[in-house]
Amino acid sequence: AQTVTQSQPEMSVQEAETVTLSCTYDTSESDYYLFWYKQPPSRQMILVIRQEAYKQQNATENRFSVNFQKAAKSFSLKISDSQLGDAAMYFCAYRSSQGAQKLVFGQGTRLTINP
Amino acid sequence: DAGVIQSPRHEVTEMGQEVTLRCKPISGHNSLFWYRQTMMRGLELLIYFNNNVPIDDSGMPEDRFSAKMPNASFSTLKIQPSEPRDSAVYFCASSLSGGPGNTIYFGEGSWLTVV
Repeated sequence: AQTVTQSQPEMSVQEAETVTLSCTYDTSESDYYLFWYKQPPSRQMILVIRQEAYKQQNATENRFSVNFQKAAKSFSLKISDSQLGDAAMYFCAYRSSQGAQKLVFGQGTRLTINP
Repeated sequence: DAGVIQSPRHEVTEMGQEVTLRCKPISGHNSLFWYRQTMMRGLELLIYFNNNVPIDDSGMPEDRFSAKMPNASFSTLKIQPSEPRDSAVYFCASSLSGGPGNTIYFGEGSWLTVV
């Protein structure tokens, strides 16, 4: 079974600075997707960014980018120019291309933005 | 477009009572997921439907939990009888099937407290 590990329970960053959240995963599959979801205090899960395992190019969405290292099974999220609205729980998730294709989540990282 | 709609948003019930959580997926989506979020266990998949058929219910904790999807636009998650350890946020999510890259959209969650 696939597992996702986020080793940083909490992170903090100064507003306008850059922060990187770590994620590692374990799988024997070669084709899969990886996601970062944001959960603000409202509790809704919001997709931030996704990465297909077959694509070597790292995904980017405005201030959010990933560093995908397939061989190392690492998928970190970089947030540039941090804003107060970025404060949230961030979850890394894995989705297989086979079977039920369910999302497997990491434990989450709570990100605090200091003004 | 309307997102995934869940009801109730909050429910407080007494131990032993029946609880029914409801979900309306995004129109056109044919995959539906029920997730549970707790501090201890994080986000865990309870059950997954594809085209109204339960595909993977291995995450349903015990016989007290049941889920149905009578049609493409409605699903329920029922707990009978409820216990304090069932207190959690229950998320419904939906996506198009056919590929792991399709985004899974989450509802705002149903916050259940069993006293």
